[in-house]
Amino acid sequence: GAVVSQHPSWVICKSGTSVKIECRSLDFQATTMFWYRQFPKQSLMLMATSNEGSKATYEQGVEKDKFLINHASLTLSTLTVTSAHPEDSSFYICSAQEVWSNGNTIYFGEGSWLTVV
Amino acid sequence: RKEVEQDPGPFNVPEGATVAFNCTYSNSASQSFFWYRQDCRKEPKLLMSVYSSGNEDGRFTAQLNRASQYISLLIRDSKLSDSATYLCVVGHGGQNFVFGPGTRLSVLP
Repeated sequence: GAVVSQHPSWVICKSGTSVKIECRSLDFQATTMFWYRQFPKQSLMLMATSNEGSKATYEQGVEKDKFLINHASLTLSTLTVTSAHPEDSSFYICSAQEVWSNGNTIYFGEGSWLTVV
Repeated sequence: RKEVEQDPGPFNVPEGATVAFNCTYSNSASQSFFWYRQDCRKEPKLLMSVYSSGNEDGRFTAQLNRASQYISLLIRDSKLSDSATYLCVVGHGGQNFVFGPGTRLSVLP
């Protein structure tokens, strides 16, 4: 299947700093990527839909000024957690949509563990 | 009511057992259906797409019932390595994919 790479896998940052997470589709072009957050033993929560060349669409309750998303190319989307706080510590996962003539499939990055201390 | 619901689980089954998961969806306009598998502390991975005619991949069989708006996943001869959380995913076409909460499976020796 298609490959989506996410970086970094693990990051620890100090409270108040910003952290950038990258999501790359390695062998296909993705006009649409998705960003999720998952807390321990909970299901995936969609944060936002990232569209190449346009603004991201945020889910209700997700602060767009805190979670900055940039999708500047067909293979790269970035999520920046600004002014991070300990409650932002979570598993962040991206996915990219591969478009086929008979439908779409989404593939996930490996995820990024963020710990804010 | 959630848009995609799954058996709450967890399912604890012995090796070799057959286990079935169900998933229901509320949006009748849904067009694409998938089962993903998520291991603990890892990203979800596509297990199989679900087609209207039903499809099988080795020990895994997926079925779709559009009239009743449910999807099922059957695992035969379960292995220890099948232990994971199984996520039902429903697509509305375009960009809109909705994940179910997942059903956790533990296969016991």
